Amino acid sequence: GALVYQYPRRTICKSGTSMRMECQAVGFQATSVAWYRQSPQKTFELIALSTVNSAIKYEQNFTQEKFPISHPNLSFSSMTVLNAYLEDRGLYLCGARDGQGAVFFGKGTRLTVV
Amino acid sequence: GDSVTQTEGQVALSEEDFLTIHCNYSASGYPALFWYVQYPGEGPQFLFRASRDKEKGSSRGFEATYDKGTTSFHLRKASVQESDSAVYYCALGDRTNAYKVIFGKGTHLHVLP
Repeated sequence: GALVYQYPRRTICKSGTSMRMECQAVGFQATSVAWYRQSPQKTFELIALSTVNSAIKYEQNFTQEKFPISHPNLSFSSMTVLNAYLEDRGLYLCGARDGQGAVFFGKGTRLTVV
Repeated sequence: GDSVTQTEGQVALSEEDFLTIHCNYSASGYPALFWYVQYPGEGPQFLFRASRDKEKGSSRGFEATYDKGTTSFHLRKASVQESDSAVYYCALGDRTNAYKVIFGKGTHLHVLP
């Protein structure tokens, strides 16, 4: 079956430092990867959409300078949160889309900033 | 822009009750529609999808039928169990941007033993 592994599951970083999270699709070829942040109110904010060999498209309020993404092949993507501050806390989710349009999510990376 | 509306924020049922969670969408054409379930501390899990009018999606006893006329994709289950307690999200795939999924606000299902 289609699985998406995301790691680390949780991380704590000091205010102003950076952290990197990774995502790997297993059992299918991901045509695209989307990174989301889920707020404490449980709403999903789309950060960016990444398609192999195409420019990564960032949503309003999110920038490449703050959330650089690497998507070198169909099964792997990584995103870094640079200079993390309190407002960056949350559950970051990687979602990989298959050829039929279904998006499969990893278990998420919980970011705590202290 | 496209959107998904889930009218129930919370639903409380007893085991073996019938479940309906309402989902309505606003979009042109025939967007793909999805249901996801999220357990505490984890990412959303894909339940099923439908992409044509009258198409039924189903998984784990849950089902929903794509209804273009009422722009709905209501989630139903005949007999819920305590283990079904979770947050359920209805979502649609953006047809103009095929890689974008738009989520509803979620419905928290509590099933009491």
